[in-house]
Order: sequence, then structure tokens, then C-alpha cells
Amino acid sequence: DTEVTQTPKHLVMGMTNKKSLKCEQHMGHRAMYWYKQKAKKPPELMFVYSYEKLSINESVPSRFSPECPNSSLLNLHLHALQPEDSALYLCASSSKGAITSWNEKLFFGSGTQLSVL
Amino acid sequence: DQQVKQNSPSLSVQEGRISILNCDYTNSMFDYFLWYKKYPAEGPTFLISISSIKDKNEDGRFTVFLNKSAKHLSLHIVPSQPGDSAVYFCAASDTNGGSQGNLIFGKGTKLSVKP
Repeated sequence: DTEVTQTPKHLVMGMTNKKSLKCEQHMGHRAMYWYKQKAKKPPELMFVYSYEKLSINESVPSRFSPECPNSSLLNLHLHALQPEDSALYLCASSSKGAITSWNEKLFFGSGTQLSVL
Repeated sequence: DQQVKQNSPSLSVQEGRISILNCDYTNSMFDYFLWYKKYPAEGPTFLISISSIKDKNEDGRFTVFLNKSAKHLSLHIVPSQPGDSAVYFCAASDTNGGSQGNLIFGKGTKLSVKP
């Protein structure tokens, strides 16, 4: 199983809603990531969990709240988002906490397309 | 300041011909490079990688070339097929801990292969 599974695939929410994005992997990977990608832009790193601890938070606004319940699961809780937060949210995993060897790579899920109205 | 640059936003190639996608980087500490392919509304999928101790890596129709002195890499696809039409992202990492060991992505090149 080399899949990273993300749900939901699409989400439309209002600015006052609270919603959560979910991500799951069963490859035994110990690092999980949230990326945000806008059209015609590269994926932009938001958070990294390494061995279930938050290791990187790239100055993301507090309306995005990550959670890593266990080594296979990663959530992104959303509250009071703005229309400019509309984007494709990608989850990824890698075997360790950082790309520190020449065999490492990120495995991406297919993403959640988020629209904030 | 972009550390990984893909200066061609798009490339159009005839089926059966060679596609060459280019990538430049500025950080001399980068020693590991990856190419990802992305279809619309899907996540990027890993294609091929190269470490700085090599200047070429080949996998089937895909070959990546690395020119460290020019801080330049390229992805060659031969022969190109319509199913190769996608956005290709170049990514780089400093495996010695720089950039906190994370991948730095370029903006991508959209490849269109015409039948």
C-alpha cells in the first residue's frame, strides 16, 4: 500500500464554518505534511509532523489547526477561513522527519479542493 | 527569493518527439533533486530523482541530467506520449539539514503532448 488517502475530495464552506480535512497513510511513514497549492503555483509547505510531534509550522494563521492523533493519521481543522484560503490542500508523508537521504521522497495524496465562500 | 526556478511555464511537443523540461537552482547546498508529475485535481506523483554524486539517472523513457557547476537540471522524456501531458515540478533538498530537510519546489512546467 503506497497510498496517501485524503478526505473529502471537495469541500465548500462559509467563513463562519468549522470543518476538518483528514489524511491517512499505512506505509509506516513517520513524517506527515500539509501543503497548500494555489493554481499555477508550487505546493507551499504549511506543517510537518515528525514522529507525531509538530516539527515545522511555516507561520500559518491560527485559523488552520493541525492534529496528528497517531502516526497514520493527520487532520487539519479549519475555522473562520477567508476566501483567499481557497486552494488545493495536499497531505504527504515520508518515511522519516525530513528529506535527509537520497532515497527519501514525499508521497502525496490527491488533495482536498477547498472553496471558501 | 526563489531557490528553485522553472522558467518555462509551458511546453508543447509532438507525440513521439523528445520533451526537455528545465530547472535551475540557486542554493549550492542542494544535493538531491526530484521531479514530480501532477495531473489536474490530483496530488503530485514522484517520477525520478538524482543525487549530486551523479550527473545522469535513467528510468525507462525518463532521464534526468544534473549539471552542478551550472546549477541546472533537466528532465528528458523520450518518446513523449499524450499521457505525459501534465504539470512537472522540479524539487530540491539539502539532505544535510538545510531548509530543515524539506523539499523546495519550483513553479512547474505544463507539458502538452499533441497526437
